Amino acid sequence: DSGVTQTPKHLITATGQRVTLRCSPRSGDLSVYWYQQSLDQGLQFLIQYYNGEERAKGNILERFSAQQFPDLHSELNLSSLELGDSALYFCASSVVGAMNTQYFGPGTRLTVL
Amino acid sequence: GEDVEQSLFLSVREGDSSVINCTYTDSSSTYLYWYKQEPGAGLQLLTYIFSNMDMKQDQRLTVLLNKKDKHLSLRIADTQTGDSAIYFCAENPRDTGRRALTFGSGTRLQVQP
Repeated sequence: DSGVTQTPKHLITATGQRVTLRCSPRSGDLSVYWYQQSLDQGLQFLIQYYNGEERAKGNILERFSAQQFPDLHSELNLSSLELGDSALYFCASSVVGAMNTQYFGPGTRLTVL
Repeated sequence: GEDVEQSLFLSVREGDSSVINCTYTDSSSTYLYWYKQEPGAGLQLLTYIFSNMDMKQDQRLTVLLNKKDKHLSLRIADTQTGDSAIYFCAENPRDTGRRALTFGSGTRLQVQP
């Protein structure tokens, strides 16, 4: 158990819908990362937050957004969903420093029908 | 650009050693990581190595780093069926604007009894 929690574990929805994925980082970790894992794209970095502020953006679509709340939990919002958005979405957290070791949650499997 | 490459598949017999290889391109990476992903699960951090080290041993795991060739390997001694999983190497680029990990495509390790 990494100490990072994600909910829900599975999510099935239809095209055009909007969903919210939730992540709670390990106690004491200020930084949260979101990654998408799909068969064709592999593991791709989406976005990073540090202590409530956006720190870095990766290959995140404009239809996707995220935020980190004062209690440090984070939410990833996916809207106008398409079939191609079906993937595993992982959250990771770290204590930002030279080592930046990231601990991953169990993921949310999103299926868009 | 950043690119981490791994072979896709490795099959070994139980009790043998497994060697999973990885090449990376960002010579400024400070830390390199190995993660394990079992079916339906998240990424479990196995080990890491700092870029000024050549080797790191942790129980059955040995990590070798060749900075000149940008080559990283993970050796698992006495491989067990429970080691069957996908193994990802990842680099942590020094780019100050981004702290996300760049992952390889993963190597699926199959351990035959």
